[in-house]
Amino acid sequence: DTEVTQTPKHLVMGMTNKKSLKCEQHMGHRAMYWYKQKAKKPPELMFVYSYEKLSINESVPSRFSPECPNSSLLNLHLHALQPEDSALYLCASSQEGSLLGYGYTFGSGTRLTVV
Amino acid sequence: GNSVTQMEGPVTLSEEAFLTINCTYTATGYPSLFWYVQYPGEGLQLLLKATKADDKGSNKGFEATYRKETTSFHLEKGSVQVSDSAVYFCALRSDAGGTSYGKLTFGQGTILTVHP
Repeated sequence: DTEVTQTPKHLVMGMTNKKSLKCEQHMGHRAMYWYKQKAKKPPELMFVYSYEKLSINESVPSRFSPECPNSSLLNLHLHALQPEDSALYLCASSQEGSLLGYGYTFGSGTRLTVV
Repeated sequence: GNSVTQMEGPVTLSEEAFLTINCTYTATGYPSLFWYVQYPGEGLQLLLKATKADDKGSNKGFEATYRKETTSFHLEKGSVQVSDSAVYFCALRSDAGGTSYGKLTFGQGTILTVHP
């Protein structure tokens, strides 16, 4: 299995809703990432988990809350989002951070629309 | 800090034309270099990579050579197809002081459109 699977593929939510994005990989990767991507822009790093511990939070607003229940799963909990949070949310995984020769494997993303 | 600069797009070509997308970088340490491709409505796919100077990465007819002297990693393809239409991102991964967890730094992306 060489894939990163993200669900759902599309999500529409109101500003008062609570929802979660899910990400799963079975490649034995020990680093997992959440990225936000606006149209025709590069992905922006949000969070990094290394060995199931949060390693990097790129000053993301608290309405985004990541969780890593185990080495294969990564969640992003969403609450009280704003319309400007509408974007493609990408999950990625990689070999541990010290192995720089490996790229990331990206999922196909969740297209989030906040109304 | 680390940075990646790509040629500005969009790039529009006819089928079977030669493609070059320029990429230069600034990095501490000894970075690994990558090209990612994003087709419409999809996530990013690793296209090719190079991990040390003078390495050439290649895949699906695309090539890029890691040039340390010019800090460049230009993407080339001899004959593009309509199916190559996508956004191409140059990226690097460098251990900047051991605390970056091998963070991937992206260029701005280049939109390629190939017409029949």
